[in-house]
Amino acid sequence: GIQVEQSPPDLILQEGANSTLRCNFSDSVNNLQWFHQNPWGQLINLFYIPSGTKQNGRLSATTVATERYSLLYISSSQTTDSGVYFCAVVLRAQGGKLIFGQGTELSVKP
Amino acid sequence: GAVVSQHPSRVICKSGTSVKIECRSLDFQATTMFWYRQFPKQSLMLMATSNEGSKATYEQGVEKDKFLINHASLTLSTLTVTSAHPEDSSFYICSARVGLLGTEAFFGQGTRLTVV
Repeated sequence: GIQVEQSPPDLILQEGANSTLRCNFSDSVNNLQWFHQNPWGQLINLFYIPSGTKQNGRLSATTVATERYSLLYISSSQTTDSGVYFCAVVLRAQGGKLIFGQGTELSVKP
Repeated sequence: GAVVSQHPSRVICKSGTSVKIECRSLDFQATTMFWYRQFPKQSLMLMATSNEGSKATYEQGVEKDKFLINHASLTLSTLTVTSAHPEDSSFYICSARVGLLGTEAFFGQGTRLTVV
């Protein structure tokens, strides 16, 4: 089956720093989403980005589908950005399943 | 974005009993919903795909008789953990998609199940 790999697995930042999270996938996918899981377990939708670049405030994402990777950029990080960031890919051929990477655990220190 | 509501958010049950978890799409109809399980410090693992009006499709290794899924309407899917054991303790989370395959998926708040 498809492999979804995220890097780095863990990241510690000082407040105000910038970071880049990466998501590699092993096969062609129809769509890709980025999520932030908060300490209570809720998955917050960040980006729905099958290709191209999108921006939302301090966050932006780029997906290069032909090269099978996506990047999530966090600028001027805040302590509230802490949590786990997941990318997930959609496999249309398998009924639209959303397959998750292992996540990047981000900790932003004040 | 679309709203998916999951209930209960937390449940503690005795070993051997059954627990039902509800997943509702509040402002849209969902012909397909997905159920995931997440153990501490791990990623979300897909358990099954719930299809309105038909049988659920289970992932390899997931016991269909243990995790009963019913998708009786376009806005409600339920997951029943039957004869629960301590190893079933986990975080269960559902997802629904607005519209056709490949569109954005939204998640419920999750249910933390503890079996004692």
